[in-house]
Amino acid sequence: RKEVEQDPGPFNVPEGATVAFNCTYSNSASQSFFWYRQDCRKEPKLLMSVYSSGNEDGRFTAQLNRASQYISLLIRDSKLSDSATYLCASGGYQKVTFGTGTKLQVIP
Amino acid sequence: GAVVSQHPSRVICKSGTSVKIECRSLDFQATTMFWYRQFPKQSLMLMATSNEGSKATYEQGVEKDKFLINHASLTLSTLTVTSAHPEDSSFYICSATGTSGRSDTQYFGPGTRLTVL
Repeated sequence: RKEVEQDPGPFNVPEGATVAFNCTYSNSASQSFFWYRQDCRKEPKLLMSVYSSGNEDGRFTAQLNRASQYISLLIRDSKLSDSATYLCASGGYQKVTFGTGTKLQVIP
Repeated sequence: GAVVSQHPSRVICKSGTSVKIECRSLDFQATTMFWYRQFPKQSLMLMATSNEGSKATYEQGVEKDKFLINHASLTLSTLTVTSAHPEDSSFYICSATGTSGRSDTQYFGPGTRLTVL
């Protein structure tokens, strides 16, 4: 079993739609969780850290479920510019493991 | 804040040559730097972790004699791909954690695309 697993997609959604991604992690000792966004042929950029209480940043909401060992990302009112691959990551201070990414394509 | 640069952004070299990639933290001190490799349509694969002033820790399956890592200062780490071969062609990305923001958050450089002919 992979340490971090994501549905690769692609998720094709119309503009304005709400889309949710889930990501499961296998290491119950993981302390840190993140969502990154990666555009084609570019480096990953931090979208948001994921806190136990859940956190929201504009149209983006991240949740952590420690009991079931998954994190989620909700994107509301999708924009064309949201099209990218979304990587989840979990780990600790010295090592973070990334999922393979979920590809999102927002369609006009 | 938390800007990481990489140089060069793209390099094409002949098989058998060595290539050095630099990773710099521009506005914070990077106590730990990470080197990843990403093949097309695949996930980031951690190659090694380096702490300033000490030897790098390599992931299983990564040849330390082939991928030489030096983290001589709190703002600079280098990766040297020695005797490069076509199968080493990939996107190499560094990241850093340190004194910016949360100590466990990795900030990525823009990556170096290596093509070995």
